Amino acid sequence: GNSVTQMEGPVTLSEEAFLTINCTYTATGYPSLFWYVQYPGEGLQLLLKATKADDKGSNKGFEATYRKETTSFHLEKGSVQVSDSAVYFCALSRGNTPLVFGKGTRLSVIA
Amino acid sequence: DTEVTQTPKHLVMGMTNKKSLKCEQHMGHRAMYWYKQKAKKPPELMFVYSYEKLSINESVPSRFSPECPNSSLLNLHLHALQPEDSALYLCASSQDWSGSRETQYFGPGTRLLVL
Repeated sequence: GNSVTQMEGPVTLSEEAFLTINCTYTATGYPSLFWYVQYPGEGLQLLLKATKADDKGSNKGFEATYRKETTSFHLEKGSVQVSDSAVYFCALSRGNTPLVFGKGTRLSVIA
Repeated sequence: DTEVTQTPKHLVMGMTNKKSLKCEQHMGHRAMYWYKQKAKKPPELMFVYSYEKLSINESVPSRFSPECPNSSLLNLHLHALQPEDSALYLCASSQDWSGSRETQYFGPGTRLLVL
């Protein structure tokens, strides 16, 4: 079946550090891939998405590239801020099946 | 506008109470979803409505009863809940339920505490 594996957290970084959160997936065919962010006490917000191989999603300085050959969709940001502290979920969608989430990665950015 | 609204924001109820959660979207989306999220876990799908008809029920106990009065509204009726039902309940919507490229937009959630 479809599945998503994210790196275990928590991840703690200093402000302005480079961020990478790894995400790999297992799915038949060509799923759509998403990163959602959940700030403390809030719901999920769509951060970025990619719907086909080699697509790059980007938003608010975050980027992720859909890599079919490595079945990956790693999230990156060049310089994190304290306000980026949140839980990040990688997810995939394939056909008429429910959205499949990774377990989430908690990011803490310290000043 | 990609806003999904949910009310109430917080809810405390006893095990014998009946309450309802409400969700609304005005994006013209035809698919709506209820999720349950426990602390430090990803959301778990409960129900999917497509064109106001229930498409998926992920074996949710009958003490949770969904309702879709029209294409913009989704309710979750709660009755005789257990303390383990305490969680964040998230509503989401998407343009349709028929394709893998559909993006789901989430509301802020209702934080439920069952005493």
